[in-house]
Amino acid sequence: GNSVTQMEGPVTLSEEAFLTINCTYTATGYPSLFWYVQYPGEGLQLLLKATKADDKGSNKGFEATYRKETTSFHLEKGSVQVSDSAVYFCALSDRARGSTLGRLYFGRGTQLTVWP
Amino acid sequence: EPEVTQTPSHQVTQMGQEVILRCVPISNHLYFYWYRQILGQKVEFLVSFYNNEISEKSEIFDDQFSVERPDGSNFTLKIRSTKLEDSAMYFCASSEHVMATEAFFGQGTRLTVV
Repeated sequence: GNSVTQMEGPVTLSEEAFLTINCTYTATGYPSLFWYVQYPGEGLQLLLKATKADDKGSNKGFEATYRKETTSFHLEKGSVQVSDSAVYFCALSDRARGSTLGRLYFGRGTQLTVWP
Repeated sequence: EPEVTQTPSHQVTQMGQEVILRCVPISNHLYFYWYRQILGQKVEFLVSFYNNEISEKSEIFDDQFSVERPDGSNFTLKIRSTKLEDSAMYFCASSEHVMATEAFFGQGTRLTVV
């Protein structure tokens, strides 16, 4: 079946530190992979995505590369800011399921806190 | 910027009571979803809805749950007789296109069943 496993949190970093949040997946078909972010009091927002192997998604200084050989999609940022404090969710949708509406499979979320 | 709006932000209800969670999707969107997250667990898909009918539902979405689009703007999730294990954050989402990448999420409703 389809599932996502992501790094347990919380993650606490100082400003300008390097961030990695690990995400691995299991999929029956050809998944698209996503990172969503939830800032306090707000909804889930799409941060970045990759739709095929070796694609790199990037946005707001965050990057993640779709690695089929290791079934991973780790989120990285070279220098975090206080404003990056949020919950980060890794997710996949499996196009091979043939569903007419995209169903997302999420991980548990990782709480990131960045201190000044 | 258009957004998905959910009300209430927090609801407390007694076990066995009916609750209705409300969502106003983005106005030109055609596809609607409900997800939930029990504290400490994964965000789980409940149901998707298009053209006034359910397109897909998960094993969680049993006879206690129902969805409705009663008018042109609201999309509701009803839990007929709440159980303690229904306590969770419920997220509504909407999408203009069929691909999930285009889904926009609301801020969530925290349901607490006591």
